[in-house]
Amino acid sequence: ETGVTQSPTHLIKTRGQQVTLRCSSQSGHNTVSWYQQALGQGPQFIFQYYREEENGRGNFPPRFSGLQFPNYSSELNVNALELDDSALYLCASSSQLGDNEQFFGPGTRLTVL
Amino acid sequence: QKEVEQNSGPLSVPEGAIASLNCTYSDRGSQSFFWYRQYSGKSPELIMSIYSNGDKEDGRFTAQLNKASQYVSLLIRDSQPSDSATYLCAVPMDTGRRALTFGSGTRLQVQP
Repeated sequence: ETGVTQSPTHLIKTRGQQVTLRCSSQSGHNTVSWYQQALGQGPQFIFQYYREEENGRGNFPPRFSGLQFPNYSSELNVNALELDDSALYLCASSSQLGDNEQFFGPGTRLTVL
Repeated sequence: QKEVEQNSGPLSVPEGAIASLNCTYSDRGSQSFFWYRQYSGKSPELIMSIYSNGDKEDGRFTAQLNKASQYVSLLIRDSQPSDSATYLCAVPMDTGRRALTFGSGTRLQVQP
């Protein structure tokens, strides 16, 4: 157990809908990164939040957006869902800028029909 | 764009044998390297990190780093069926940001 929690565990949506995924970071961790993991692939970096500001973004379109709250919890929002958005969405927290050890939550399995 | 390459496997070893998992990376400037274990349907779990050339041992796991050849490996001694999982190699995307570039993982099967 890493102390990182995510909700919901599973989610089924239809194409065109919007979804919000939530993450609570491990106690003392102020940085949250979101990853998308398609079946058979490694996690792909979506974006990272540090002290409520976006601190870098991967190769994902603007319909993927996020927030970080003062308690360091975070949300990932995806608009206009596409079939290819079906994946495991992972949240990872870490403690200090420059410390690359990241600890993952259990993930949210999103299915887009 | 940093790249991390792993053989997808499956790598099949008998119980009690040594499993050797390999990873190569494209950026000579990478300074830290991570191995994650991921069971089917679960999230990745950090099992080893290595920052210096040479070997780092932790229980049955040994990480080996060779920066000159740009590869990092993970050895699992006395492999157990419970070690059957996908092993992901990761390097930091860039300095100042705690995000990782992952390989696609190697699936390990330990046969009882």
